[in-house]
Amino acid sequence: AQKITQTQPGMFVQEKEAVTLDCTYDTSDQSYGLFWYKQPSSGEMIFLIYQGSYDEQNATEGRYSLNFQKARKSANLVISASQLGDSAMYFCAMRELPSGAGSYQLTFGKGTKLSVIP
Amino acid sequence: NAGVTQTPKFQVLKTGQSMTLQCAQDMNHEYMSWYRQDPGMGLRLIHYSVGAGITDQGEVPNGYNVSRSTTEDFPLRLLSAAPSQTSVYFCASSWGQSTSYEQYFGPGTRLTVT
Repeated sequence: AQKITQTQPGMFVQEKEAVTLDCTYDTSDQSYGLFWYKQPSSGEMIFLIYQGSYDEQNATEGRYSLNFQKARKSANLVISASQLGDSAMYFCAMRELPSGAGSYQLTFGKGTKLSVIP
Repeated sequence: NAGVTQTPKFQVLKTGQSMTLQCAQDMNHEYMSWYRQDPGMGLRLIHYSVGAGITDQGEVPNGYNVSRSTTEDFPLRLLSAAPSQTSVYFCASSWGQSTSYEQYFGPGTRLTVT
């Protein structure tokens, strides 16, 4: 089973509208971290937001917020007031200690390509 | 700080050749890792290191070697390049192993094996 599932290969959003990018995860650990990264067409990986498994409040960073539903194992990224510069690939990732592994590892989903329409 | 640097940016190899992708960080991070990114696959972990002298395998280690002789450097060696290793390679580092530490990524190396 995939550890991180992003079910939307591609999405479109109108400029200035809000958009939600879906992410579900699979882990039996109690302690884990969830991350979202942005990858523009230039190729670099840009950290956006982090949510810890024990955090009771949803994380927010400027226009980004993370809708964390622990029981459903989902960590959706919400981008408010979309801008043209938000057009990029978005990756959800989870840091956990896999069974049998010696250290924490970061596992990525396959990504969602977001296109912002003027 | 330069952050995480990778060289080269682009490389073309012939099947069977070997080469080393360089990665360095100047943030005194304990944890370093290598990922490969293939279309439609996200990023997959190749090898990682939790400190100088300590390395371990990730999800897709076959065909790659790593070593960590210093805190700053974490080179990735391709022993005998194959077309299946055509990919974009990212090096990343973080303060430590905690689940809360974000990883800082280098700019990537685009490798083509013909």
